[in-house]
Amino acid sequence: GQQVMQIPQYQHVQEGEDFTTYCNSSTTLSNIQWYKQRPGGHPVFLIQLVKSGEVKKQKRLTFQFGEAKKNSSLHITATQTTDVGTYFCAGGAAGNKLTFGGGTRVLVKP
Amino acid sequence: KAGVTQTPRYLIKTRGQQVTLSCSPISGHRSVSWYQQTPGQGLQFLFEYFSETQRNKGNFPGRFSGRQFSNSRSEMNVSTLELGDSALYLCASTSRVGTGELFFGEGSRLTVL
Repeated sequence: GQQVMQIPQYQHVQEGEDFTTYCNSSTTLSNIQWYKQRPGGHPVFLIQLVKSGEVKKQKRLTFQFGEAKKNSSLHITATQTTDVGTYFCAGGAAGNKLTFGGGTRVLVKP
Repeated sequence: KAGVTQTPRYLIKTRGQQVTLSCSPISGHRSVSWYQQTPGQGLQFLFEYFSETQRNKGNFPGRFSGRQFSNSRSEMNVSTLELGDSALYLCASTSRVGTGELFFGEGSRLTVL
């Protein structure tokens, strides 16, 4: 079945630095979604990418969908303490359920 | 608009017991999905319901079951609880079936002793 892998599993970032988390699918996706879960909270939708090579920005967050629609990345610039949490990607295939990656847990060092 | 509501928020059970968790989706959302979240396994898909019909099912044993009512509210049941069933159970609703944006509830944290 469809598998979605995220790397790294953990990311320790110095406040003010940039980092990137990657998401790779074993199959071609129809879309990819990203969610953020704060410690003790529930996942909250960030964005959805649908088109091959699509790039979307939300303030300091940049999301990219690969040309082959099998991978995606989330890049955060100038990390802040509010960025702490776990970032999940979720790959969707037409007519099927979303498959979540294992998440990247982000810890920010002030 | 009220969000997704899950009850109970916390519960403690012992091995062998059964548990029923409830989820009320956002008004107008007809699709409800359930996920199990554990520290080591991330978010594991349990099942998805739309208009009272199960559309998709994850790789969980038959002890895990669910249903959806005509008002879109959903319940999941776990019978013969095992220690490994301790987890946060998250419900999510969406207005679009299959791959729409998911709106998650706060979850029901189950501890099995």
